[in-house]
Amino acid sequence: KAGVTQTPRYLIKTRGQQVTLSCSPISGHRSVSWYQQTPGQGLQFLFEYFSETQRNKGNFPGRFSGRQFSNSRSEMNVSTLELGDSALYLCASSLSPGNGAYEQYFGPGTRLTVT
Amino acid sequence: AQRVTQPEKLLSVFKGAPVELKCNYSYSGSPELFWYVQYSRQRLQLLLRHISRESIKGFTADLNKGETSFHLKKPFAQEEDSAMYYCALEADRGSTLGRLYFGRGTQLTVWP
Repeated sequence: KAGVTQTPRYLIKTRGQQVTLSCSPISGHRSVSWYQQTPGQGLQFLFEYFSETQRNKGNFPGRFSGRQFSNSRSEMNVSTLELGDSALYLCASSLSPGNGAYEQYFGPGTRLTVT
Repeated sequence: AQRVTQPEKLLSVFKGAPVELKCNYSYSGSPELFWYVQYSRQRLQLLLRHISRESIKGFTADLNKGETSFHLKKPFAQEEDSAMYYCALEADRGSTLGRLYFGRGTQLTVWP
């Protein structure tokens, strides 16, 4: 079974630009979560989608947004990029969120560098 | 608020020695606790979760609700155990259901 895939793997953008990252979950998985990983803050939860609905959102500004499509693929968008947005963005998928019953499978991440 | 603390950023042991990676949490409900591992150049993957009470690659972890701890232990460390280990908590209710809270991670190095 193919794992979680994320595209692109690497991205360099300039301050003020916007970026869209894509995540394809494992086939059959309906929940997709996004995390930001930085050396300073570690792994921080961005948001989670289930059946095309955002069910959970972390403490990030409104510049960070996302969506999920009917095939469970998800995208996240960051507008008006800032230097501090440079990070590894991880996507994770699971059959269903909650209760610890379903393992979250992580993708390889997208390394975003903002200059 | 939910919080996961891993007090050791770095931990080094020799091959064959016991290893314990500490994890403490704060949460008012009944959390689900996990250990994730990231080997060099590999993606983050689940090592074990307290709900299944299993031993993976010789590692075990016991949830101690009194001490709010979920320490990861292995009696005899191997060189291939060298990796970054993250403790994570999942809330059991409310708007944060399904969200993982991660500790800052502990880099384990096992010397030959």
